[in-house]
Amino acid sequence: GEQVEQLPSILRVQEGSSASINCTYENSASNYFPWYKQEPGENPKLIIDIRSNMERKQTQGLIVLLDKKAKRFSLHITDTQPGDSAMYFCAAVNTNTGKLTFGDGTVLTVKP
Amino acid sequence: EAAVTQSPRNKVTVTGGNVTLSCRQTNSHNYMYWYRQDTGHGLRLIHYSYGAGNLQIGDVPDGYKATRTTQEDFFLLLELASPSQTSLYFCASSDAGGSSYEQYFGPGTRLTVL
Repeated sequence: GEQVEQLPSILRVQEGSSASINCTYENSASNYFPWYKQEPGENPKLIIDIRSNMERKQTQGLIVLLDKKAKRFSLHITDTQPGDSAMYFCAAVNTNTGKLTFGDGTVLTVKP
Repeated sequence: EAAVTQSPRNKVTVTGGNVTLSCRQTNSHNYMYWYRQDTGHGLRLIHYSYGAGNLQIGDVPDGYKATRTTQEDFFLLLELASPSQTSLYFCASSDAGGSSYEQYFGPGTRLTVL
């Protein structure tokens, strides 16, 4: 099955700086890569995604990059704020099967 | 109104007990999923389904059964619960193959097996 490795598991940054989370996947059939944010006590919610026909996508201070050749994708949060503190999950989806595999998560803390 | 609901929200049972977790979605989505979330492991897929009567095996299926009775309803069954199944369980739905692959999660069920 698909394996998704996510690093780092813990990330602490200063408010206003940027934060980067990296993920790698194994299955070349994966073609959709979402990122979810989970606040304490809440369920995960989609914040941004990228399909395999794209290399870069940006929305509201979030940038995702996809390198299909290296089977690597990343999330970059620019100008971090304390409200960005949360757990972040990457995932890889094989849209032929509908199966989604999550990384193990990154706990991001933004220090004021 | 919440589009994915789960019941119960909390459940305590004993080792060997029989537990059924329920999930209902009103998104008219074809896909539904059951995950467990444990510290250090993120979200792990137990079972999923692409329609009523269909069941697909996920990555951690041992000790779990599931049944999709209608497009709206997906149940997770633990027939002989063990302490290792103490976890936070999330159900999700998705229109995979349709307009979007976004997963919409329910609020979660916290299960404790003593």
